[in-house]
Amino acid sequence: GDSVTQTEGLVTLTEGLPVMLNCTYQTAYSTFLFWYVQHLNEAPKLLLKSSTDNKRTEHQGFHATLHKSSSSFHLQKSSAQLSDSALYYCALSDPQGGRALIFGTGTTVSVSP
Amino acid sequence: ETAVFQTPNYHVTQVGNEVSFNCKQTLGHDTMYWYKQDSKKLLKIMFSYNNKQLIVNETVPRRFSPQSSDKAHLNLRIKSVEPEDSAVYLCASSFNWGGYAEQFFGPGTRLTVL
Repeated sequence: GDSVTQTEGLVTLTEGLPVMLNCTYQTAYSTFLFWYVQHLNEAPKLLLKSSTDNKRTEHQGFHATLHKSSSSFHLQKSSAQLSDSALYYCALSDPQGGRALIFGTGTTVSVSP
Repeated sequence: ETAVFQTPNYHVTQVGNEVSFNCKQTLGHDTMYWYKQDSKKLLKIMFSYNNKQLIVNETVPRRFSPQSSDKAHLNLRIKSVEPEDSAVYLCASSFNWGGYAEQFFGPGTRLTVL
């Protein structure tokens, strides 16, 4: 079945350094990819989404490019801020499941001064 | 600003009891979902529902059931809770059943089963 893989469970970095979170996916159907962010004790919120191959998508300083050839949708930011500390999920829309989201295992980002 | 409301925020109960969680969305969406977020933060779909179709994830135990009175409400009932049901239950909604739409999540209901 469809699946999403996030290889990093925890990323720790210093404020001002770049961030890159890996996401790869497996699907037999059409491809809609998302990044959701969940701050502590809050609801997950959409950060980015894409369905277009090789097109960069940006929001709130983060960017990601969907590469269908490598089944990847990595999340990047050039300079991390303290407020970026959160749990990040990569997700795939499931066309067989009423467009429910299939989430990766999540990556916790911890940014320190 | 919250647009997906869940009650209660927390619930503690004992094994074998029945519980029910409420979810309401004020966004006018046509599709609602229930997700389970376990202690390892794994987030997994349980149900997808619009006014025409209910899709149940095959891994969901039969003691779980969604209940809807209209398209703005989707409650979750657990008939006889088990310890492994301890988790945060997140309700979400989106517009357009077959589309490519953002899902909006509620704050969640944290269930603890003793």
